[in-house]
Amino acid sequence: DTAVSQTPKYLVTQMGNDKSIKCEQNLGHDTMYWYKQDSKKFLKIMFSYNNKELIINETVPNRFSPKSPDKAHLNLHINSLELGDSAVYFCASSQEKRTGNGEQFFGPGTRLTVL
Amino acid sequence: TQLLEQSPQFLSIQEGENLTVYCNSSSVFSSLQWYRQEPGEGPVLLVTVVTGGEVKKLKRLTFQFGDARKDSSLHITAAQPGDTGLYLCWKGGGNKLTFGTGTQLKVEL
Repeated sequence: DTAVSQTPKYLVTQMGNDKSIKCEQNLGHDTMYWYKQDSKKFLKIMFSYNNKELIINETVPNRFSPKSPDKAHLNLHINSLELGDSAVYFCASSQEKRTGNGEQFFGPGTRLTVL
Repeated sequence: TQLLEQSPQFLSIQEGENLTVYCNSSSVFSSLQWYRQEPGEGPVLLVTVVTGGEVKKLKRLTFQFGDARKDSSLHITAAQPGDTGLYLCWKGGGNKLTFGTGTQLKVEL
């Protein structure tokens, strides 16, 4: 069984479009994250949710909006896609509630390419 | 501003060599984790250190947490091609959670 799954694996789209990436974890964890990994491999935290509540909201354009329908799911919706949004987006989950000290389990990533 | 600097950024070595990767910060960590990321996959946790001066070993990998809890090192003995990957340190605790800048390691036969 896949612990943290993301869909789609690859996403190619035109500038200006709106797209969503879905993430699901079956580990029973309370905390989920979204990260963006750029071409230089820097992994930057975007958002963190704990039990459907937004905990961390880093400096991310308003075009990015996370949605957590329940604690097992954290989806990422992106409006008006720009070229600079091209990256690999990772979802992760952790049992640790707020401090970031717990082990994070990562999904396989979604490679977004904006043309 | 990067809070966690890793060095070196890139490292290409031959099988059997030893290497050390460093993770440095200007602020104190409550805990520090090391992850390894292989191509096309998400990072996977290798170790968590929480006590200043702590040393942990994982087979050929030795992790050390600085006494002041501001830095950490990862030493690999007799590197193998399977050690190839992106090594990332992670700063837990506090209000600024972040990964380090990463060290891309390639071990060749």
